[in-house]
Amino acid sequence: KNQVEQSPQSLIILEGKNCTLQCNYTVSPFSNLRWYKQDTGRGPVSLTIMTFSENTKSNGRYTATLDADTKQSSLHITASQLSDSASYICVVSDRGSTLGRLYFGRGTQLTVWP
Amino acid sequence: EADIYQTPRYLVIGTGKKITLECSQTMGHDKMYWYQQDPGMELHLIHYSYGVNSTEKGDLSSESTVSRIRTEHFPLTLESARPSHTSQYLCASSEPDPGGVYNEQFFGPGTRLTVL
Repeated sequence: KNQVEQSPQSLIILEGKNCTLQCNYTVSPFSNLRWYKQDTGRGPVSLTIMTFSENTKSNGRYTATLDADTKQSSLHITASQLSDSASYICVVSDRGSTLGRLYFGRGTQLTVWP
Repeated sequence: EADIYQTPRYLVIGTGKKITLECSQTMGHDKMYWYQQDPGMELHLIHYSYGVNSTEKGDLSSESTVSRIRTEHFPLTLESARPSHTSQYLCASSEPDPGGVYNEQFFGPGTRLTVL
């Protein structure tokens, strides 16, 4: 069964600190992995996307890593800001259909305190 | 942000009412999707469309229906709303991806539906 598991479920950090979010997946055949940021009451917005051959991708203070062998990914946030408070969702796409089906994790709820 | 819009943003209605959630995109994308998301849970695909006159059911069984008469418009309808339909509904569209590598989906802001 294709699944995406994220940890931790929730995380509280102080402004300016760094943090790392984890994602494990069993989706096969693998196409790509994305990290989305979803603010409360809003739709998800893509942060990074990585294919099988990419093992790291950065977008400003966000750096994602991918280990396709162990089927693990992480999202590292540096120098956190209050605006980083959101749910971070790991999404994996398969190559098994013309739809390019997406498998979503439940997200990590990040809260940044001043 | 992508040009995909959903209305209304919030809707509170009584049981038994018929409702239509609107979704429009101005990017000319052929593929469009409807997802349902409960608090703290993952998004579940309930409907999708490959293009005009194409509609398919997703992974999660839903009593809602959709139509795709125009490329830019993908409305979702509930004929008789019930409290179990209370959820957030997210619409998305994706750009052409001939290589099937990225399938980038762009999401609307969502509609928060509450059925009393």
